[in-house]
Amino acid sequence: GAVVSQHPSWVICKSGTSVKIECRSLDFQATTMFWYRQFPKQSLMLMATSNEGSKATYEQGVEKDKFLINHASLTLSTLTVTSAHPEDSSFYICSAARANSPLHFGNGTRLTVT
Amino acid sequence: DAKTTQPNSMESNEEEPVHLPCNHSTISGTDYIHWYRQLPSQGPEYVIHGLTSNVNNRMASLAIAEDRKSSTLILHRATLRDAAVYYCILREETSGSRLTFGEGTQLTVNP
Repeated sequence: GAVVSQHPSWVICKSGTSVKIECRSLDFQATTMFWYRQFPKQSLMLMATSNEGSKATYEQGVEKDKFLINHASLTLSTLTVTSAHPEDSSFYICSAARANSPLHFGNGTRLTVT
Repeated sequence: DAKTTQPNSMESNEEEPVHLPCNHSTISGTDYIHWYRQLPSQGPEYVIHGLTSNVNNRMASLAIAEDRKSSTLILHRATLRDAAVYYCILREETSGSRLTFGEGTQLTVNP
């Protein structure tokens, strides 16, 4: 079946640095990918919709200059957390949309900012 | 997005059936009912979806009320590996449409 791969699965970084998270659709082309964030004991919150070849659409309250999204190909979207701070520590999850198919999710990236 | 309502938590015993309810009284005619589950520290996993008729697959069954204002996810024989948060989500079946997650039901399976 379709698989979405997310890398890295966990990362620890120092406050003020930037971190890039990759999301790949392994056996299908995804024109649209979604980025979610999940804090402990909470549900997933949609951050942005990533469209191949165009600018991402951000949800209300999500800073586009802080969470940079690039969807340069049909199989890869990246989320860069710029100038990370401890409050950005969270579980980041991507998903990819395939025509006439349920969404497929990556296994998430645990970000810890020290 | 139309809203769904689920119990915060449910408990079951291993090898017994589990019925997870979901209310979606404001569902529109084009909304499909999707169920996903999330195990600890993992991304959500697709379980099943349907529009009007009941659906069965290898993981579960989905029973949809005639008026479509509620549905029930049925796990026929719960195992310890079924312990997860189960999300009932409405989604327009258009290519690229997003999912909006509610709080879901935390299912505990007792040995």
